[in-house]
Amino acid sequence: AQTVTQSQPEMSVQEAETVTLSCTYDTSENNYYLFWYKQPPSRQMILVIRQEAYKQQNATENRFSVNFQKAAKSFSLKISDSQLGDTAMYFCAFILYNNNDMRFGAGTRLTVKP
Amino acid sequence: DGGITQSPKYLFRKEGQNVTLSCEQNLNHDAMYWYRQDPGQGLRLIYYSQIVNDFQKGDIAEGYSVSREKKESFPLTVTSAQKNPTAFYLCASKGSGDRGPERDNEQFFGPGTRLTVL
Repeated sequence: AQTVTQSQPEMSVQEAETVTLSCTYDTSENNYYLFWYKQPPSRQMILVIRQEAYKQQNATENRFSVNFQKAAKSFSLKISDSQLGDTAMYFCAFILYNNNDMRFGAGTRLTVKP
Repeated sequence: DGGITQSPKYLFRKEGQNVTLSCEQNLNHDAMYWYRQDPGQGLRLIYYSQIVNDFQKGDIAEGYSVSREKKESFPLTVTSAQKNPTAFYLCASKGSGDRGPERDNEQFFGPGTRLTVL
C-alpha cells in the first residue's frame, strides 16, 4: 500500500521569506501523480500544485514550486515570498495513474508571521 | 459555475441517531469520494464511487453507508453504529478522460460538513 509522510507537523515563516515543506512517499509503482493541497481556516481544500511522476521537470505555479526527487521518493513544496494568506494546513497527496485511492499525509500547519 | 456543494455546513446529532450528509456536483465527474478528517490527521477515505449505482468501501467504512443513484449526488449516512462520528467530512469528485491525465487525476473538494455528536 502507498503511504505519504509529512514529518513537520507545524512550521512558521516570516512574511516575504521562503519556506520548504517536506513530503516523502512510498510506492513500488512507476506511474503516479503527486499533489499539494492547501486548507486555510475556511477548511476548503484548494489544489496548490501537481506533478506527474514521469516528468523530470519540477512543477511551478507562481510563488509555489516543488522539488521532486523520484529516486528518493521525495516531493517538497517551496513557498517563496510568503504572504499572510499562505497561513494554512498543507497536505501532500499521492495517487496512482487512473486509480481512485488518493493517499494523504497528516499535514503541516504553516503560519506566516507579519 | 461548476463545483461541489455540501450541506449542511454544521450538523448536530444525538447519540443513536442516523444522519445523512449531502454532496452534489455539477462538474460531470464520474468518480466521487467521501473523506473523514480528524485533528492532527490527514484525510481518510470512507467510500468512493466510480459510476452510478456502484460504490466501494475505503479504509474506514464501518458505521457509514452511501448511495449513488444519480451521477451528481453521493450522500453519506452516518449510522448509529459509528462509534466516534464527530469529525469534519469532505466530499470530492474526480474527472475522467476528457481533460488530460494530470487534470483527470486531480480531486476537487466541497466545503465540508462539521458533524458533532451531542
